[in-house]
Amino acid sequence: DTEVTQTPKHLVMGMTNKKSLKCEQHMGHRAMYWYKQKAKKPPELMFVYSYEKLSINESVPSRFSPECPNSSLLNLHLHALQPEDSALYLCASSPNEGGRRGYEQYFGPGTRLTVT
Amino acid sequence: RKEVEQDPGPFNVPEGATVAFNCTYSNSASQSFFWYRQDCRKEPKLLMSVYSSGNEDGRFTAQLNRASQYISLLIRDSKLSDSATYLCVVNLLVFGAGTILRVKS
Repeated sequence: DTEVTQTPKHLVMGMTNKKSLKCEQHMGHRAMYWYKQKAKKPPELMFVYSYEKLSINESVPSRFSPECPNSSLLNLHLHALQPEDSALYLCASSPNEGGRRGYEQYFGPGTRLTVT
Repeated sequence: RKEVEQDPGPFNVPEGATVAFNCTYSNSASQSFFWYRQDCRKEPKLLMSVYSSGNEDGRFTAQLNRASQYISLLIRDSKLSDSATYLCVVNLLVFGAGTILRVKS
């Protein structure tokens, strides 16, 4: 089973709201990722967690706050977003952060976020 | 120069055609290479890992050319369902901009 689940599927929020995106995998993967994808663009890496610790933050604004409560869960807390933050937010996991042969990433279906 | 470059296309081909895409990468120390396909408004799905020896999965063949720093994807006997954007990924995290394939009947 190579399933990564994400909730909610769609989210509309105002610029003063606080919301959270959730991601879960039960494949025993030890690396989890958040990506942002705008229309007609490739996914853009935001954060990487490896063994539940933040290992990469791609200079993401502090209005995005990741959290990894355990090895199966990854959250993205959102606060005071801007309309330009509207995008598809993708979660992914891989067995390890190493990116070697056999360590492919598997993506969840994404949360389509609209900031009004 | 971008880390990973792909021809954005679109490649418009008839059903049954053979089509090939290339993806060039700038970091000669790159270790891992993947092809993903992404349908409109869906998540990327792993199509193939690309190994040094090349690999084949049904109608799909992937090759790695380290000397020239590119990977390729060959699709034989194209189906309408192959229409998608094909993303090249290097070192797990570096995505190309994608190549659009449209297969027409």
